Amino acid sequence: GEQVEQRPPHLSVREGDSAVITCTYTDPNSYYFFWYKQEPGASLQLLMKVFSSTEINEGQGFTVLLNKKDKRLSLNLTAAHPGDSAAYFCAVSASSGSWQLIFGSGTQLTVMP
Amino acid sequence: ETAVFQTPNYHVTQVGNEVSFNCKQTLGHDTMYWYKQDSKKLLKIMFSYNNKQLIVNETVPRRFSPQSSDKAHLNLRIKSVEPEDSAVYLCASSAGTVSDYTFGSGTRLLVI
Repeated sequence: GEQVEQRPPHLSVREGDSAVITCTYTDPNSYYFFWYKQEPGASLQLLMKVFSSTEINEGQGFTVLLNKKDKRLSLNLTAAHPGDSAAYFCAVSASSGSWQLIFGSGTQLTVMP
Repeated sequence: ETAVFQTPNYHVTQVGNEVSFNCKQTLGHDTMYWYKQDSKKLLKIMFSYNNKQLIVNETVPRRFSPQSSDKAHLNLRIKSVEPEDSAVYLCASSAGTVSDYTFGSGTRLLVI
């Protein structure tokens, strides 16, 4: 079945720096990809959902890149600020038809002032 | 307000007790899910359910069971809790494609 590997598990950056989180997946038939942010004690906040037909997607303060050839998904926070400190998860839809999401193991991002 | 609602937010219980968590969605979705987020924050599917089919992750222990009265509700029952059941349980729903996946706020279970 689908496997999703997320790196790095922990990331510390200074305010204003960029932060890049990457996920690789194994199922070439996966077609929906998600990035979630989770603050301490809170649920999952959807940052962006990406369809396999679009390779670059821009949000507010971040960019999501999808490289289908390498089966790689990345989240780039372009100018991180302390409010971005949280856990980030990628998720990939399984192609089996059960509509489950396969999550990466998460990245704990700390943005230092 | 249309969303996925979970109760309780937090529950503490002793080993061997039975617990039940509620989930209701007002989005008109036809598929609901339960995910478990463990102490290392790893998220894994437990069940997916619509009015036609229940799909169970084969790694889920038999003491866990989903219970549904209609397509807007999917509760989670744990028959006899064990310490490793301490986790956050997240309910979600979708309208049959994953593009509109919506998560609830979660129920945090502590087994002592």
